[in-house]
Amino acid sequence: NAGVTQTPKFRILKIGQSMTLQCAQDMNHNYMYWYRQDPGMGLKLIYYSVGAGITDKGEVPNGYNVSRSTTEDFPLRLELAAPSQTSVYFCASSYGAEQFFGPGTRLTVL
Amino acid sequence: RKEVEQDPGPFNVPEGATVAFNCTYSNSASQSFFWYRQDCRKEPKLLMSVYSSGNEDGRFTAQLNRASQYISLLIRDSKLSDSATYLCVVPGNYGQNFVFGPGTRLSVLP
Repeated sequence: NAGVTQTPKFRILKIGQSMTLQCAQDMNHNYMYWYRQDPGMGLKLIYYSVGAGITDKGEVPNGYNVSRSTTEDFPLRLELAAPSQTSVYFCASSYGAEQFFGPGTRLTVL
Repeated sequence: RKEVEQDPGPFNVPEGATVAFNCTYSNSASQSFFWYRQDCRKEPKLLMSVYSSGNEDGRFTAQLNRASQYISLLIRDSKLSDSATYLCVVPGNYGQNFVFGPGTRLSVLP
C-alpha cells in the first residue's frame, strides 16, 4: 500500500494564481482531512470529508475549496492565491481514531 | 482556555535523561487523546493513544488526568533518535476531527 500520497511536493505560486493540491489514499478510509501547518505552529484543519460526496469546513476554510467524488481522492483547490496561504499542507485519512498523513506539499505564494 | 495547549519548549536533554511534556485541553467531554511525533520537515505519525488513565509502550508513558484536564508524555532513557516535535491531539468540535497542539520540540544531545 502506498498509504496517503500528495502531489506536488513543492510549488511556488504568484499572487492571484490558482492551483489544486492532489491527495489520494489506497486504504479505503472514509475520513479524509486537509490541514495547513505554518512554521512553529500546530496543524489547522481546513476541510474534512466523512465519505464520498460529503465535505465540511474546518477551522480555516476561507480561500480553499474541496471535493470528494471518490473514496480515494480528496483534492484541495486554492483560488486567487495570497501570501497568507504560504504554508505546508498535509492531507490525512483515517478509519478509526488514528490519522495517516501524506508527506505534505510546501507552497509559497509570492 | 485554548482547546489544547502544550509546554512551549524546546527541551534540550542529554542522552539517557528522562523528560516529560504536558498538554492541557479545554473540552471536559473528550474521551480519547493522542501523542503524535513529527520529525523535522516530515509528516506527523501516531506515537501513542490514551483512552483511559494512561498507556505505556516501552520507554514511553502517557498519562491522563481528567480532573485537571491534562495529559503528559514521559520519555525514559532518551535516545538521539527521540529528537522531534511531539504533538498533543485532542477531539475537536467538527465531527470526526481532532485538534492538534502547537507541539513541543525535543532535542536529545550526545
